[in-house]
Amino acid sequence: GQNIDQPTEMTATEGAIVQINCTYQTSGFNGLFWYQQHAGEAPTFLSYNVLDGLEEKGRFSSFLSRSKGYSYLLLKELQMKDSASYLCAVKGNTPLVFGKGTRLSVIA
Amino acid sequence: SQTIHQWPATLVQPVGSPLSLECTVEGTSNPNLYWYRQAAGRGLQLLFYSVGIGQISSEVPQNLSASRPQDRQFILSSKKLLLSDSGFYLCAFAQGSYEQYFGPGTRLTVT
Repeated sequence: GQNIDQPTEMTATEGAIVQINCTYQTSGFNGLFWYQQHAGEAPTFLSYNVLDGLEEKGRFSSFLSRSKGYSYLLLKELQMKDSASYLCAVKGNTPLVFGKGTRLSVIA
Repeated sequence: SQTIHQWPATLVQPVGSPLSLECTVEGTSNPNLYWYRQAAGRGLQLLFYSVGIGQISSEVPQNLSASRPQDRQFILSSKKLLLSDSGFYLCAFAQGSYEQYFGPGTRLTVT
C-alpha cells in the first residue's frame, strides 16, 4: 500500500522561510508532486521531482530523497498570499496518492 | 492551451435524489481523467480514473459511478445520494504519468 505523512498545520512569519516535510511509503516510485490549494479552490500544481535533489522554481523549491522516502517543499520570502494548504502526492504503481495536506498560515 | 471545465460550481440536492456532474477537457487528446472527492477538513480521495473511452477504474466502492462517453468528457453519477456524499468534487486530467491539472470543482451539499 501507500502512505503519505505531512504535518497538519504550520505557522510562519511574512518574509521568512518555511519548510514543509513529507514522508512516504509506496509500491514503486514514479514521481513526487507538490500542490497548493487555497481555501475553497482546486489544487494547483507547484513542482515535480522524480530524481534525488533540489528543484528550484522562483520562491519555491522542492527536494527529494528516494532512499529515505522523504521530500520537502521550501517557500522563501513568504507572502500573505502563500497562506494555503500544501499537498504532497506520490505516484507509485497506482494513480497519484495525496497526503492530507499541510495548512500554512502566514502571519504579519 | 489545455483547459478543464466542470459544472455546476455548486449544487444542493436532497437525500435520495440523482446526481450528474460533468467534466470536459480541451486542448489535449487521450488524457487520463480522474474524479476526486474532498470532504471538509480531509484529504483528496480518488474515486475513479480513466485511461481511455469506456475504460473506468473504481478506487472506492460506493453508490457513485463514472462514465467516459467521449475522449475528453468524464461524468460522475449517482442514482440516490446519501448525506455522506457531500463534499468538494474535483475532476483532473493528466498526460501520461505527468502532473495532474484540476478543474474548478463542484461543491455538493446533500440535505
